[in-house]
Amino acid sequence: DTEVTQTPKHLVMGMTNKKSLKCEQHMGHRAMYWYKQKAKKPPELMFVYSYEKLSINESVPSRFSPECPNSSLLNLHLHALQPEDSALYLCASSQARQRGTEAFFGQGTRLTVV
Amino acid sequence: RKEVEQDPGPFNVPEGATVAFNCTYSNSASQSFFWYRQDCRKEPKLLMSVYSSGNEDGRFTAQLNRASQYISLLIRDSKLSDSATYLCVVNMNYGGSQGNLIFGKGTKLSVKP
Repeated sequence: DTEVTQTPKHLVMGMTNKKSLKCEQHMGHRAMYWYKQKAKKPPELMFVYSYEKLSINESVPSRFSPECPNSSLLNLHLHALQPEDSALYLCASSQARQRGTEAFFGQGTRLTVV
Repeated sequence: RKEVEQDPGPFNVPEGATVAFNCTYSNSASQSFFWYRQDCRKEPKLLMSVYSSGNEDGRFTAQLNRASQYISLLIRDSKLSDSATYLCVVNMNYGGSQGNLIFGKGTKLSVKP
């Protein structure tokens, strides 16, 4: 089972709203990632969690707040977003090995900020 | 210098053509290399990993040249269903227990009848 599940698939939120994106995997992967992808651009890394600890934060604004409650779940809490934050948010997971392995992506949450 | 650079594309080819994608990476300490495929409005999906010895999967052949920091993907006998954006991905490990997957900008391929 190489599946990463993201919910919701689509989200429309106002600039004053608070919402959360959720990601789940049951492949035993101990590295999980959030990426942001704008139209016609490649995915850009936002955060990396390794063994449930935040290991990389690519200078993401504090209006994005990640959380890793356990080894299978990854959340992204959203607050006071701007319209330019509208994008496809992708979650991925991989084994946590120094040599690195391939990552598997969820279908993404298409976020629109109005 | 960008960390992962790819041919800008787009590539428009007829069915049955052979098409090659090239990619260079800047960090010589990079550990792992991959080609992903992304269809319009979908998530990236792993196409194949790339090994130093080169590897083949059906119509797809990937090559890695560590000395030149160069990765390639060859698609033979292209099909309409190969139309997608092909992303070169490099795992730039910075000493932690996991990597940092860096994506190239992608090359769009359109295979025409």
